[in-house]
Amino acid sequence: NAGVTQTPKFQVLKTGQSMTLQCAQDMNHEYMSWYRQDPGMGLRLIHYSVGAGITDQGEVPNGYNVSRSTTEDFPLRLLSAAPSQTSVYFCASSRRRVGNEKLFFGSGTQLSVL
Amino acid sequence: DQQVKQNSPSLSVQEGRISILNCDYTNSMFDYFLWYKKYPAEGPTFLISISSIKDKNEDGRFTVFLNKSAKHLSLHIVPSQPGDSAVYFCAASISAGGTSYGKLTFGQGTILTVHP
Repeated sequence: NAGVTQTPKFQVLKTGQSMTLQCAQDMNHEYMSWYRQDPGMGLRLIHYSVGAGITDQGEVPNGYNVSRSTTEDFPLRLLSAAPSQTSVYFCASSRRRVGNEKLFFGSGTQLSVL
Repeated sequence: DQQVKQNSPSLSVQEGRISILNCDYTNSMFDYFLWYKKYPAEGPTFLISISSIKDKNEDGRFTVFLNKSAKHLSLHIVPSQPGDSAVYFCAASISAGGTSYGKLTFGQGTILTVHP
């Protein structure tokens, strides 16, 4: 069972570069989301999607774009990377948006912006 | 504004003893609470949850207690094992209604170390 797959696992960018973090799930989950984890801050929601073609902002959306063209994929785009975006990024999915659904997480992408 | 807080960054416990991890929240609209466990270089995994209509939920060695009047929840691990050493995150959500429902708000995490 693949679950939630994130690529790449590690990435180093220079300030101003753009890149896309990939996320795919094979559980036919309706709800997908992106979190970033920073020391002392826990996990903070960046963007989420409740289905193909539907996305919305989370707590810290600035500097990131998302789209959801299929149920399986939910890429996160950094348009112009900044050092403040150095973090560990986690993609997560659940069957539905309802708040009592548990999230399944990918293994994370460690991003450094120099 | 940190709506979910874990005020202890770390906890150290001897194998076989009880581990108690604490979590406080400020938003009275939260009605579902979850604990996640995270090992290094892995994503968080779901551990246990509790609805606000309950005050206790057990699953094997893990028990979560909820005190709604104090806006406080705790995770008890009995007995603690070295394999329990990980970062533990509490999370809260609003299960239905409004624009915030379905979003999980996480605490900062507590690093648990269980010594053999």
